[in-house]
Amino acid sequence: DGGITQSPKYLFRKEGQNVTLSCEQNLNHDAMYWYRQDPGQGLRLIYYSQIVNDFQKGDIAEGYSVSREKKESFPLTVTSAQKNPTAFYLCASRTDSYNSPLHFGNGTRLTVT
Amino acid sequence: AQSVTQLGSHVSVSEGALVLLRCNYSSSVPPYLFWYVQYPNQGLQLLLKYTSAATLVKGINGFEAEFKKSETSFHLTKPSAHMSDAAEYFCAVSRGSGGYQKVTFGIGTKLQVIP
Repeated sequence: DGGITQSPKYLFRKEGQNVTLSCEQNLNHDAMYWYRQDPGQGLRLIYYSQIVNDFQKGDIAEGYSVSREKKESFPLTVTSAQKNPTAFYLCASRTDSYNSPLHFGNGTRLTVT
Repeated sequence: AQSVTQLGSHVSVSEGALVLLRCNYSSSVPPYLFWYVQYPNQGLQLLLKYTSAATLVKGINGFEAEFKKSETSFHLTKPSAHMSDAAEYFCAVSRGSGGYQKVTFGIGTKLQVIP
C-alpha cells in the first residue's frame, strides 16, 4: 500500500544539536509539505516543495532547513537556531493540484532538553 | 490571503446528539476547502473536501459539510455523535501564490463525546 513514512516516531535531543527528521512517500506525489503542530495552534507550515530540487519557505521557516533531491524524500533538519524546537512534526504530500487533499504521515514527536 | 477560522477550540456533545463544528473562510476567490480528523499521536485523515461541484459535501464516517458562500462558511456536521468520533478536527484551505500552492489550517476543534 502506498503511503508516507515518518521516522522515528519519537526523537530526543540535547539543546544545541541539529536533528534531521525523515519523510518518505511512495504515492508518486509531486508536492510535499512539513508542518509543526503545537497544542492550541493548529498546524503551521514550515517548508513545502512542489518539484524536485525546489522548495519554498512556509510561515515559520526560521531555524529549519530542507532538501528535495528525490521525489520520494523530503527530510527536515531542525537546527540549533530554532528557539523552541520541541513539537509534533507532520509530513504530508499531494498531487500538484489545488483541489487534491494532503496525505499525512503519522508524525515525529521531537523533544529537546 | 486565504485563511480559515474555527470557532470553538473545544466542543462537547452527548452520544447520539448532533455534532456541529464551525469553520469560516476568508477568500477573494472560490476556495478549495477540506476537513480533516486527527486521533491522538497520529497524522491527519481526510474527512471530506469541497471543490465547487456541489455545495453539500458528504464525507466518511457519516460527516457532511455545507459550503455557504453568503456566510463564507463550511461547517461540519454529523446527525448523531458516536464515541469513536472523539478526536480533533481541522478545517483547511488550499491557496496559491505566484504558482506555489499552500494548504493552511485552522487551529482545530477538539470534540468530546459524553456517554
